[in-house]
Amino acid sequence: KQEVTQIPAALSVPEGENLVLNCSFTDSAIYNLQWFRQDPGKGLTSLLLIQSSQREQTSGRLNASLDKSSGRSTLYIAASQPGDSATYLCAVSGSNYQLIWGAGTKLIIKP
Amino acid sequence: NAGVTQTPKFQVLKTGQSMTLQCAQDMNHNSMYWYRQDPGMGLRLIYYSASEGTTDKGEVPNGYNVSRLNKREFSLRLESAAPSQTSVYFCASRSITDRRRLNEQFFGPGTRLTVL
Repeated sequence: KQEVTQIPAALSVPEGENLVLNCSFTDSAIYNLQWFRQDPGKGLTSLLLIQSSQREQTSGRLNASLDKSSGRSTLYIAASQPGDSATYLCAVSGSNYQLIWGAGTKLIIKP
Repeated sequence: NAGVTQTPKFQVLKTGQSMTLQCAQDMNHNSMYWYRQDPGMGLRLIYYSASEGTTDKGEVPNGYNVSRLNKREFSLRLESAAPSQTSVYFCASRSITDRRRLNEQFFGPGTRLTVL
């Protein structure tokens, strides 16, 4: 059974720092991996989608990598800003493209 | 182009009451999903519909039923609500035709349900 883990559960850093969020999964047979952002009391915003054949995707200050063989993905945020404060969730797509989710990393960027 | 819409946004029920959560997408997606999110946990799949006319159970289907009314709409019904069903419910649809975003799932804003 696929399991997705995100470490750390919470992270607080000063504004301007570069940071890395981690996501690991137990079964490398995935179709794709998505990173989402969730603001308190709000819905889910898709940030990046990495297909199983890809190694990384970039969008603005965000870069996500995927290493299927080791069961890992990282989300790199450059030059963090207070507006980046949110919970970041990763999810892997298995059979029938059902998403299996991590519990998220709550990120706080201190001004 | 509204994407994925859900109604209602908030609902409070008493134990034993029934209700239907509505979801609609205007992106011509074939597949639709219902997830629930509990505090401190990732989302869990309740039911999904791979295409119009089909539905299948996910990880946590007990206490729920679904209807894929047409290609656009996928509803989730709680026949006899229980406090354990207090959660945030998200509907999603999946793109299979956009090559740049192949198999990406798009989410609605969620329904916050409290069962007393």
